[in-house]
Amino acid sequence: QKEVEQDPGPLSVPEGAIVSLNCTYSNSAFQYFMWYRQYSRKGPELLMYTYSSGNKEDGRFTAQVDKSSKYISLFIRDSQPSDSATYLCAMSDGTGGFKTIFGAGTRLFVKA
Amino acid sequence: GAGVSQSPSNKVTEKGKDVELRCDPISGHTALYWYRQSLGQGLEFLIYFQGNSAPDKSGLPSDRFSAERTGGSVSTLTIQRTQQEDSAVYLCASNRIGYGYTFGSGTRLTVV
Repeated sequence: QKEVEQDPGPLSVPEGAIVSLNCTYSNSAFQYFMWYRQYSRKGPELLMYTYSSGNKEDGRFTAQVDKSSKYISLFIRDSQPSDSATYLCAMSDGTGGFKTIFGAGTRLFVKA
Repeated sequence: GAGVSQSPSNKVTEKGKDVELRCDPISGHTALYWYRQSLGQGLEFLIYFQGNSAPDKSGLPSDRFSAERTGGSVSTLTIQRTQQEDSAVYLCASNRIGYGYTFGSGTRLTVV
């Protein structure tokens, strides 16, 4: 079993839809939870960063962490074609210099 | 520099040849990481450098892989006697400890 599980998709939605992306994990020591967005032929870019459980909102993006269930989510409201990318969840226990474990990524297509 | 710079962006090499991949991190970022991304796979941790500490090499897949970081800045990942299974995108990232990563655009390595 992988430490971080993420459905690879692809996920296709119409413009304006609410998108829900999810990951589960097995290591209860993870404290830092991140979402990265990766466009084709580019490196991942940090989108959201949260510590421990709870919600964090940034514009159209909301990240949720439920440590009791070992489950994290990213919600995208009013999705746009420019949101079409691969979204990778990532997490760290803060040790080893913040070594981070990544999910496999979910490919998202937002149709105009 | 403004971002993490990687070179070359693309590299095609013959099986059995050695290759060197270069990473120039963001100035002031003390930590540097190498990851590998294969098609349909998540990011696989390779190696991590933090200041003058001994690097964490726990992710290197074989002794054909090595990396160094000179003067706490530029890093070189070397793959000796390349094999076809080494074909992947090699991503470099840097950060300040406790913060998310800033990635370069990667080097796309193809072994023919």
